[in-house]
Amino acid sequence: GQNIDQPTEMTATEGAIVQINCTYQTSGFNGLFWYQQHAGEAPTFLSYNVLDGLEEKGRFSSFLSRSKGYSYLLLKELQMKDSASYLCAVIWSTSGTYKYIFGTGTRLKVLA
Amino acid sequence: DTGVSQDPRHKITKRGQNVTFRCDPISEHNRLYWYRQTLGQGPEFLTYFQNEAQLEKSRLLSDRFSAERPKGSFSTLEIQRTEQGDSAMYLCASSEQGGAFFGQGTRLTVV
Repeated sequence: GQNIDQPTEMTATEGAIVQINCTYQTSGFNGLFWYQQHAGEAPTFLSYNVLDGLEEKGRFSSFLSRSKGYSYLLLKELQMKDSASYLCAVIWSTSGTYKYIFGTGTRLKVLA
Repeated sequence: DTGVSQDPRHKITKRGQNVTFRCDPISEHNRLYWYRQTLGQGPEFLTYFQNEAQLEKSRLLSDRFSAERPKGSFSTLEIQRTEQGDSAMYLCASSEQGGAFFGQGTRLTVV
């Protein structure tokens, strides 16, 4: 099967740093993505990792370790508008097809 | 606007009726995906097109569901004989290489 695990909820304070972890099964792996989703809206693309290491983009960074089947999303200098669900998604490739599989999402609450 | 667009944004239908949703992907994207999302869950994969070819279909998709992408551009998702359990947000996404970009979704309510 294809499983992605991430925590259900996290709470952090405005201005702080938060790390959201994601683990996945490795067979057929072809890249990992993080999406942000505000309530009632579509997911918006945040980051993409296909090689091991850290990708930094402003206040957001994403890390990948393919051998461990592990990724994290790091959010710095948290703002109230960062309160949202954060979805970890893995793209699996088999026999020339590509499929994005999503975790259930981590609901982040940023408190003043 | 050159993003992914979906129509309609909202649909309320009576149980047993058929509904059809449309998705217009980003024009240069050859991959198109349909997902279903319910409250508190991540998007669930339904089906995937590479150009006009439907390459994969989830076992979640019963025979009441059908999707097409006749010319490799826009796609339609039809649900026949809707049931209350079909109530969800139906998301379309498209990609080339890298991340998929999502439309705003069609929220279906079956009453």
